[in-house]
Amino acid sequence: DAGITQSPRHKVTETGTPVTLRCHQTENHRYMYWYRQDPGHGLRLIHYSYGVKDTDKGEVSDGYSVSRSKTEDFLLTLESATSSQTSVYFCAISETASSYEQYFGPGTRLTVT
Amino acid sequence: QKEVEQNSGPLSVPEGAIASLNCTYSDRGSQSFFWYRQYSGKSPELIMSIYSNGDKEDGRFTAQLNKASQYVSLLIRDSQPSDSATYLCAVPSGYSTLTFGKGTMLLVSP
Repeated sequence: DAGITQSPRHKVTETGTPVTLRCHQTENHRYMYWYRQDPGHGLRLIHYSYGVKDTDKGEVSDGYSVSRSKTEDFLLTLESATSSQTSVYFCAISETASSYEQYFGPGTRLTVT
Repeated sequence: QKEVEQNSGPLSVPEGAIASLNCTYSDRGSQSFFWYRQYSGKSPELIMSIYSNGDKEDGRFTAQLNKASQYVSLLIRDSQPSDSATYLCAVPSGYSTLTFGKGTMLLVSP
């Protein structure tokens, strides 16, 4: 994950507050993804982007929004955080759609109290 | 919804043994398959990609794909304690997206 950073790495926030997580890549890859990982559920796709300003929903998109104004940055926003959004969030990148090979950032541990 | 099934484990093997991890998938049309390794508290790391029936070897790792039976396996030869991790199987689920299994925990005892 040398070319992918996530910030913050840890965050504790209160229910009802907005939260934005940032993913930054230096690989110039077109595709970027946000996942959450929870015990018993594995990795689940929240949203993904296939180019600047081009995004689509994943399996568990309710309560989340994303934005991508530059190739290198993909932001995930929780508009009003809930305790059910306590999770570890991973960003991933991929160079091409056809290869499907994805590379992950270090993750953000979010706790909503 | 495409499904990927893995035994959650833990799979316990002694050091030096062969560890065999299995994954079944629901979409008969899947063409490519991926194995990720995830150490506790870390992010998933891509270790193997396989695109055609048969075996693919990379060092101590061999991925085996059987499309007719809809399963893909990962063999780890000469298992080491450093191989102790959770192994995730993934298959394409749409344009550029993957569906992941819940993972199998592997424990290699010295």
